[in-house]
Amino acid sequence: GQNIDQPTEMTATEGAIVQINCTYQTSGFNGLFWYQQHAGEAPTFLSYNVLDGLEEKGRFSSFLSRSKGYSYLLLKELQMKDSASYLCAVRAREYGNKLVFGAGTILRVKS
Amino acid sequence: GAVVSQHPSRVICKSGTSVKIECRSLDFQATTMFWYRQFPKQSLMLMATSNEGSKATYEQGVEKDKFLINHASLTLSTLTVTSAHPEDSSFYICSAKTGVLSGTEAFFGQGTRLTVV
Repeated sequence: GQNIDQPTEMTATEGAIVQINCTYQTSGFNGLFWYQQHAGEAPTFLSYNVLDGLEEKGRFSSFLSRSKGYSYLLLKELQMKDSASYLCAVRAREYGNKLVFGAGTILRVKS
Repeated sequence: GAVVSQHPSRVICKSGTSVKIECRSLDFQATTMFWYRQFPKQSLMLMATSNEGSKATYEQGVEKDKFLINHASLTLSTLTVTSAHPEDSSFYICSAKTGVLSGTEAFFGQGTRLTVV
């Protein structure tokens, strides 16, 4: 997506913590979304940030800094089933308040 | 979260035929529905925005005569891929929202895997 960057791939060990970063450049920012997508399936909504700070939801947390155009998704106590693609999406007035997706980060969890 | 249902989940069709995909909002009225396409190992690309009772708005590069969108009610939008070709084989996904910044557009249907042979 336009000006939304995230790493292509990451590998982590079962039980560990992993942080997936997303940077964006846009005007009229109106929210950042994180999704999990397993191969062959539709994306599943994980989190939504519109204000600066950390949102925690179980093993998953998401952080936003609007001034830096930066977000991260933090996954704790990694499980094998967390192996998936993680998509960052931005909503902004520049995009007509539609969601624009990053290319996604493929996370591989190894035992 | 909001429930969006998409049907069918998989379809195989012959080249030159048309395929209709349905997207329904089950527990809310959707003033707007979004249609995305995802090719293998790529991210979601917005194809069009469907507004109830009016014409759809297509993204640049998407042929409106090939991808017909109808949003006849507040709970149903359909995408028809006309005269399908093998290059139209893809994963089609919809989402729906009510209100301007409601957040409900965050939820997707199950997706439709289209294979054109």
